[in-house]
Amino acid sequence: EIVLTQSPDFQSVTPKERVTITCRASQSIGRSSHWYQQKPGHSPKLLINYASQSLSGVPSRFSGSGSGTNFTLTINGLEPEDAATYYCHQSSSLPYTFGQGTKLEIK
Amino acid sequence: EVQLVESGGGLVQPGGSLRLACSSSGFNFHMYAMTWVRQAPGKGLKWVSAISSGDGATYYADSVKGRFTISRDNSNNMVYLQMDSLRAEDTATYYCAKVSGTHGGFYDQWGQGTLVTVSS
Repeated sequence: EIVLTQSPDFQSVTPKERVTITCRASQSIGRSSHWYQQKPGHSPKLLINYASQSLSGVPSRFSGSGSGTNFTLTINGLEPEDAATYYCHQSSSLPYTFGQGTKLEIK
Repeated sequence: EVQLVESGGGLVQPGGSLRLACSSSGFNFHMYAMTWVRQAPGKGLKWVSAISSGDGATYYADSVKGRFTISRDNSNNMVYLQMDSLRAEDTATYYCAKVSGTHGGFYDQWGQGTLVTVSS
């Protein structure tokens, strides 16, 4: 099973700050890494697919990068509504797995 | 507009069974794989099972293999998760999600979830 390890687990940040969340895979997953945002009481929402592909409707301040075993989600200019837990996910091989999540708190 | 609506959750005793259903609309259901992901209270996301489009191949997490069965009804745009021999550790909100491809990929649409509680 491919283990995805995110860092940090928790981060308290101020609005307009630049935030970087990393996801490290226990073996290479190519670019089959995806990022989701989950707000309390809501279902997850896809932000980035295949490491860096943005989606229509997702604010441009969200971007992704990486390949192989190291991936990054960056939020440029944090907004108060970005308070949420962020998960990476790999679809490279079964069983599909998620990172443990990174909770962002807005100061 | 894509919509996924789960149903069938509830309280069940250990060893019991439940059948979750996910009703889909707004996309060509038969063209996409579907998946179930669960989230225990206060915990992270865990992949449970998936079913491909076309051949209907099924896949399971080791923790549910032999106890859970995923199926789909392309005529009615439904996906199901039959859960047998339930354990306390199966307690979670179960999400149905649309997969971007015919077998695997990212999860681009999610339902609102249905809560399963396994307790005596």
